[in-house]
Amino acid sequence: GESVGLHLPTLSVQEGDNSIINCAYSNSASDYFIWYKQESGKGPQFIIDIRSNMDKRQGQRVTVLLNKTVKHLSLQIAATQPGDSAVYFCAEKGGGGFKTIFGAGTRLFVKA
Amino acid sequence: NAGVTQTPKFQVLKTGQSMTLQCAQDMNHEYMSWYRQDPGMGLRLIHYSVGAGITDQGEVPNGYNVSRSTTEDFPLRLLSAAPSQTSVYFCASSYSNPLGGYGYTFGSGTRLTVV
Repeated sequence: GESVGLHLPTLSVQEGDNSIINCAYSNSASDYFIWYKQESGKGPQFIIDIRSNMDKRQGQRVTVLLNKTVKHLSLQIAATQPGDSAVYFCAEKGGGGFKTIFGAGTRLFVKA
Repeated sequence: NAGVTQTPKFQVLKTGQSMTLQCAQDMNHEYMSWYRQDPGMGLRLIHYSVGAGITDQGEVPNGYNVSRSTTEDFPLRLLSAAPSQTSVYFCASSYSNPLGGYGYTFGSGTRLTVV
């Protein structure tokens, strides 16, 4: 069945370093992928998305990479800041369907 | 433009009680969904709707009902609350076309405790 999983439950980085958060997905028919950021006590917030016909998409300080061959998704955050500390979720939308399925999340700690 | 509004923010229920979690959005989004989030876990889809009058089950629909009589509102009903339904509930909405994207806007959540 569909599943979206993350390789690491926690990630600790030094302020100013780059962060890489990884995600594996199992549904090869998924055609849309999204990264969300969730701060404590708040709802998830959209960060960046990518469609299955793309390999890479860049935003402000964030880049999402998609490797369909190995069904892997990553979120890169450049020059990580204390405000980036949060839980990050990847999510996938199945091909032709309407459901968006979330992974378990990775907690990012930024050390000053 | 308020986005997605959820009420109440906190609720304590006794086992067997019923209640409705309210969700409203003012962005004219077609898609709306309800998720629950348990400690240390991701968000699990309860029910979703692709437009007024259309709803469908997600991953964990048992014990919950939904309806979508208008584009703006998508209430979630707990029929007979159980301790296993203690969780944080999020409502979300999104566009349904590639031009608008499918990324969700989430509400701030309802923290429900069933005792």
